[in-house]
Amino acid sequence: AQSVAQPEDQVNVAEGNPLTVKCTYSVSGNPYLFWYVQYPNRGLQFLLKYITGDNLVKGSYGFEAEFNKSQTSFHLKKPSALVSDSALYFCAVRDMRGGNYQLIWGAGTKLIIKP
Amino acid sequence: NAGVTQTPKFQVLKTGQSMTLQCAQDMNHNSMYWYRQDPGMGLRLIYYSASEGTTDKGEVPNGYNVSRLNKREFSLRLESAAPSQTSVYFCASSERPPSGSTGELFFGEGSRLTVL
Repeated sequence: AQSVAQPEDQVNVAEGNPLTVKCTYSVSGNPYLFWYVQYPNRGLQFLLKYITGDNLVKGSYGFEAEFNKSQTSFHLKKPSALVSDSALYFCAVRDMRGGNYQLIWGAGTKLIIKP
Repeated sequence: NAGVTQTPKFQVLKTGQSMTLQCAQDMNHNSMYWYRQDPGMGLRLIYYSASEGTTDKGEVPNGYNVSRLNKREFSLRLESAAPSQTSVYFCASSERPPSGSTGELFFGEGSRLTVL
């Protein structure tokens, strides 16, 4: 079955340190990969995507993500965390086979940045 | 540019009451979605509409109905609300890949529903 895993329910990082939020997927073919962020009491906002090309993609708010095809991973990273990065982060994968283009969501990772 | 607008933002219902959540998007997107978000459950797809005139069940459709009124509007109806439907509901829209779009979703701010 197709799935997206975010293995950590919560990630704690000190302000100024690098952060990584992990995502692995089990979707065949060449799926489209996405990260979204949700601030408290808000809707989800698109952060970045990988479609094809360079394995390192850059997005909003200084975030980047690294695609690794052999490990079927798409980890979200930021070189220096800010307290304002504290939020809920979702990885999503769109299956591009078959014409349905189903979007599969991870369960989310709560990122807490401590001053 | 409003993006995706959901109403109401908050609603309290009694068991058995009905209500409709409204959603409208102004980005001329073909596809629209209704999700529910519960603690520890992530996002679960209730219904979606790949294009105007079509609707399909998602992961958790029981107890809900939808109407794609036109290209802009996609409503979600609870015919007889149950406490298990207490949740935060999100509407989203996107272009339909691969026709010139990679299909990222744009979300509304959510509707917080409590069923007593």
